[in-house]
Amino acid sequence: GAVVSQHPSWVICKSGTSVKIECRSLDFQATTMFWYRQFPKQSLMLMATSNEGSKATYEQGVEKDKFLINHASLTLSTLTVTSAHPEDSSFYICSASDRRQGNFEKLFFGSGTQLSVL
Amino acid sequence: DAKTTQPPSMDCAEGRAANLPCNHSTISGNEYVYWYRQIHSQGPQYIIHGLKNNETNEMASLIITEDRKSSTLILPHATLRDTAVYYCIVRAISNSGYALNFGKGTSLLVTP
Repeated sequence: GAVVSQHPSWVICKSGTSVKIECRSLDFQATTMFWYRQFPKQSLMLMATSNEGSKATYEQGVEKDKFLINHASLTLSTLTVTSAHPEDSSFYICSASDRRQGNFEKLFFGSGTQLSVL
Repeated sequence: DAKTTQPPSMDCAEGRAANLPCNHSTISGNEYVYWYRQIHSQGPQYIIHGLKNNETNEMASLIITEDRKSSTLILPHATLRDTAVYYCIVRAISNSGYALNFGKGTSLLVTP
């Protein structure tokens, strides 16, 4: 399978600060990556679709100015939570599709980032 | 995407087969059945997928009914490490990249 690396695994920050989360495809090129958010005891909710070299597509209700997504290369997408507040505390997960034969039907996920905003 | 229905929770004894059902009565002809699982505080992990034939890999088997309105994921010999939330997702494949929409899944508890 393909490997998706997400960093950091957890982060604690003060309210009002910004936090950047990185998502890397280690052994394949990912033209498309996805960002999910998961609150405790709930399922994953798709936040946005990140396309290399173009603007991200956000799901309804997700503030694009608050959750900045940059997909500047074929192996890296970043999610920046700007001016974080306690209600942004959540588990953030990235995923990528690998278009190589045998893998293109599947999504591969990072290990997630637990964000706690104080 | 077709909607899926799964039981919220199931128990299974270690070493026994775990059979996780999923209903997807509105599935379309071009939609595949996917199974992922999420161990606590980790990202989801792909298990298996299929269109209409039964599938088997090193992790599990997928049994899809002839009318494709339901399926069962089988973990042949469950271990404690199989304790996780299992998601059944129905989705058409697109080579332009696609997201998966996760429902609530089934929380499987494997007990000693």
